[in-house]
Amino acid sequence: IAGITQAPTSQILAAGRRMTLRCTQDMRHNAMYWYRQDLGLGLRLIHYSNTAGTTGKGEVPDGYSVSRANTDDFPLTLASAVPSQTSVYFCASSVDRGRDEQFFGPGTRLTVL
Amino acid sequence: SQQGEEDPQALSIQEGENATMNCSYKTSINNLQWYRQNSGRGLVHLILIRSNEREKHSGRLRVTLDTSKKSSSLLITASRAADTASYFCATERGQLTFGSGTQLTVLP
Repeated sequence: IAGITQAPTSQILAAGRRMTLRCTQDMRHNAMYWYRQDLGLGLRLIHYSNTAGTTGKGEVPDGYSVSRANTDDFPLTLASAVPSQTSVYFCASSVDRGRDEQFFGPGTRLTVL
Repeated sequence: SQQGEEDPQALSIQEGENATMNCSYKTSINNLQWYRQNSGRGLVHLILIRSNEREKHSGRLRVTLDTSKKSSSLLITASRAADTASYFCATERGQLTFGSGTQLTVLP
C-alpha cells in the first residue's frame, strides 16, 4: 500500500453500539490525526498523535477515543455511538505535527441511526 | 472554531477562465495551506505558504498571503473541467484549522 488506508469505507450503525474506525499509514510519519467533516463545517480535529505512544485532544474529542500503539496504526473508537456522530471521518498523517502538509485517507462515511 | 473562512462559498466559471478564492483568518499563523477535495474523496494538499512569504506558485496555482490583512488568495489559471472540486484553506498554528471551503465548478 502507499499512503493512508481507512476501513470500513462506510458503515451504518445503531445508536449505542461500539465502533472502531481503522487507519493505517505506510509513510513512517510521526504524526496522525482524525477529523470529522460535516456539511458546511469543513473539517474539525477530533484527536491527534504526535508520535507512537502519545495522543492528544482536538477541537471535538467528546465521545471518541484513540490509541497509537505503533507508528502505522491510529484507530478511532466510538464507545457508544449517537446520531450526532453521523459524519464522514478522515484520517491524516504528516511527517511531524504542526508545520507540515498532511496526507489524507479516503474517508469513512458513518451513519448512526 | 474555524480559523479560516473561504469566500465565495461557491464559484462557477467557464473552462479557460481564472478562478480566485479567498481565505480570511483571525489570529497569527505559522503557515497557511490550501487543499483540494474531489467529491467523495479525501483532501489533497496543494500548496503551503509560510508566514514570511508573500507569494508562491505551483503550476497553474498562485497563492498570496497578506499577514497584515490576515488573508490569502488562491488563483487557478486557465481552469479545466477537472479542477471542479472543493477548495479549503487551513491555517497552521500548532495544528491545522480548516475553513468551510469553496465549491468550484468549471463548466466545459
